[in-house]
Amino acid sequence: AQSVTQPDIHITVSEGASLELRCNYSYGATPYLFWYVQSPGQGLQLLLKYFSGDTLVQGIKGFEAEFKRSQSSFNLRKPSVHWSDAAEYFCAVLLGGTSYGKLTFGQGTILTVHP
Amino acid sequence: GAVVSQHPSRVICKSGTSVKIECRSLDFQATTMFWYRQFPKQSLMLMATSNEGSKATYEQGVEKDKFLINHASLTLSTLTVTSAHPEDSSFYICSAHAGTGYSTDTQYFGPGTRLTVL
Repeated sequence: AQSVTQPDIHITVSEGASLELRCNYSYGATPYLFWYVQSPGQGLQLLLKYFSGDTLVQGIKGFEAEFKRSQSSFNLRKPSVHWSDAAEYFCAVLLGGTSYGKLTFGQGTILTVHP
Repeated sequence: GAVVSQHPSRVICKSGTSVKIECRSLDFQATTMFWYRQFPKQSLMLMATSNEGSKATYEQGVEKDKFLINHASLTLSTLTVTSAHPEDSSFYICSAHAGTGYSTDTQYFGPGTRLTVL
């Protein structure tokens, strides 16, 4: 069965430091991968997505993610974190076949930013 | 572009009453909308897929008679929690596939509705 794993439940970084949030997936076919961000009590905002082509994708707010097929990973990165980046981040994979259109989400990673 | 709204944003109701939550795509037509449920400090769990003009498809374990979904138009889907009980308290989020002019493989999410059943 398809699955998405975010190994880190909670990450704390200092403002200005670099950030990497991990995401691993289990999926038989070529995955469509997404990163979403959720602020407290809010819906999800799309940060970036990978469908095909260049394995390094750029998103909004200075985020980027790299698809590594050999490692079944799609880690999210940002070179310098801002206090406003504190939120919960979800990695997701779009299912195909008869389940086309459905998203499977990871457990989420809560990011805390210290001043 | 690709804005999805939900109404209400927050609702408190008594046990046994029914609550309707609306999900609207404001600037695009959505033939498919999705309803998710999110418990505190947990991920989103897909409840059902709502297709315009047809019956919703429910995920395993979701009671279709309790969570009624109606997708009456290309811009509106509603979720009605019938005879709500405290265990139905949760954060409900909808999403929609955007159509022409947007990537059809990307879901855009509403801001969510916080349901509290007393």
